[in-house]
Amino acid sequence: NAGVTQTPKFQVLKTGQSMTLQCAQDMNHEYMSWYRQDPGMGLRLIHYSVGAGITDQGEVPNGYNVSRSTTEDFPLRLLSAAPSQTSVYFCASSYEGLAGESSYNEQFFGPGTRLTVL
Amino acid sequence: GESVGLHLPTLSVQEGDNSIINCAYSNSASDYFIWYKQESGKGPQFIIDIRSNMDKRQGQRVTVLLNKTVKHLSLQIAATQPGDSAVYFCAEGVYGGTASKLTFGTGTRLQVTL
Repeated sequence: NAGVTQTPKFQVLKTGQSMTLQCAQDMNHEYMSWYRQDPGMGLRLIHYSVGAGITDQGEVPNGYNVSRSTTEDFPLRLLSAAPSQTSVYFCASSYEGLAGESSYNEQFFGPGTRLTVL
Repeated sequence: GESVGLHLPTLSVQEGDNSIINCAYSNSASDYFIWYKQESGKGPQFIIDIRSNMDKRQGQRVTVLLNKTVKHLSLQIAATQPGDSAVYFCAEGVYGGTASKLTFGTGTRLQVTL
């Protein structure tokens, strides 16, 4: 198993450009999510998905779009990049258990994408 | 690789000594806590978790202590090794919820000196 993979590893954009960060997992996980990590701050949830065709907003969704057409893939789109979106982005996946169970400890993170917006 | 942050508190420990990393959480309703390890250039990795019905849980070379009275938890690493050098952060949530409800701390950088 490759686990959670992310591409690209590094990206530099100019203000106003758009791009898509790719995330894929081969563990048949239902739950996938995107976080951003900024200096001095903890991971903040951008968007998440509990299964193919279902997405929802997290804590900081503005400026980002997601879709989940397959179980394996969960791309994150920046519509018009801004310097405030300079960050390290992590994708994560987990098998969400039955109601009442917790599968936090099964959340696997990808290696991250460092994005710089000039 | 990706750096977690330039302004993190740093704990410097000599190889072989024990390390204690602390975390204060804010939400009294949180009843589930996780410690993560993040090495340079990598994503966070689960270390150990604890539910609020426990005050101590042990893993391999790691122990998590939970003090609900003062909303504090700590991660103890026994016989610290160079491979333990990383950023460690805690997360809090509600057991039975989804991972979308986790709140993450900012982290502490552990430096292991030889």
